[in-house]
Amino acid sequence: GAVVSQHPSRVICKSGTSVKIECRSLDFQATTMFWYRQFPKQSLMLMATSNEGSKATYEQGVEKDKFLINHASLTLSTLTVTSAHPEDSSFYICSAPEARFYGYTFGSGTRLTVV
Amino acid sequence: AQSVTQPDIHITVSEGASLELRCNYSYGATPYLFWYVQSPGQGLQLLLKYFSGDTLVQGIKGFEAEFKRSQSSFNLRKPSVHWSDAAEYFCAVVRDAGNMLTFGGGTRLMVKP
Repeated sequence: GAVVSQHPSRVICKSGTSVKIECRSLDFQATTMFWYRQFPKQSLMLMATSNEGSKATYEQGVEKDKFLINHASLTLSTLTVTSAHPEDSSFYICSAPEARFYGYTFGSGTRLTVV
Repeated sequence: AQSVTQPDIHITVSEGASLELRCNYSYGATPYLFWYVQSPGQGLQLLLKYFSGDTLVQGIKGFEAEFKRSQSSFNLRKPSVHWSDAAEYFCAVVRDAGNMLTFGGGTRLMVKP
């Protein structure tokens, strides 16, 4: 089946630095990628939607200058957390609709800890 | 706007007992419906989905779900729970194919030996 590879799985960074999270579709073309954020013991909340070759669409309350999303190719979407702060610590998950819409494929998630 | 409600935040069942996790959605038309399971620190695994047709859907790991249009529900069931089923379960809906999923709040399942 369709696979989305997400890296890194875990990252610890210092406050003020930037972290890039990558999601690659391995065996299909992901024209759309959804980026979710999940706080401990909570549900997934959509942050933004990226579409290949165009600007990402951000959900209300999500700072687009802080969470930079790039979807430059049909197989790669990236989320960069800029000037990270401890409150950005969270679990970030990407998801892409599968071809012919059999559903959605999720990355394995990235646990970001900002110290 | 569509919404998904999972009324039970926590459920504890004994191993071997039956399980039902509730999910209600709010949307005028029938959306696409999904159940996912998440183990701690892991991504999401699809258990089953409903798009159309037979309202009783079979999934992996012995799970099934029934779509009831009159109740706007899509409850997940399993006849006999195993200790390895302990995890977080999410119901999700989407209105149109390819659009973003809306997730319920999740139900944490604990299994007693």
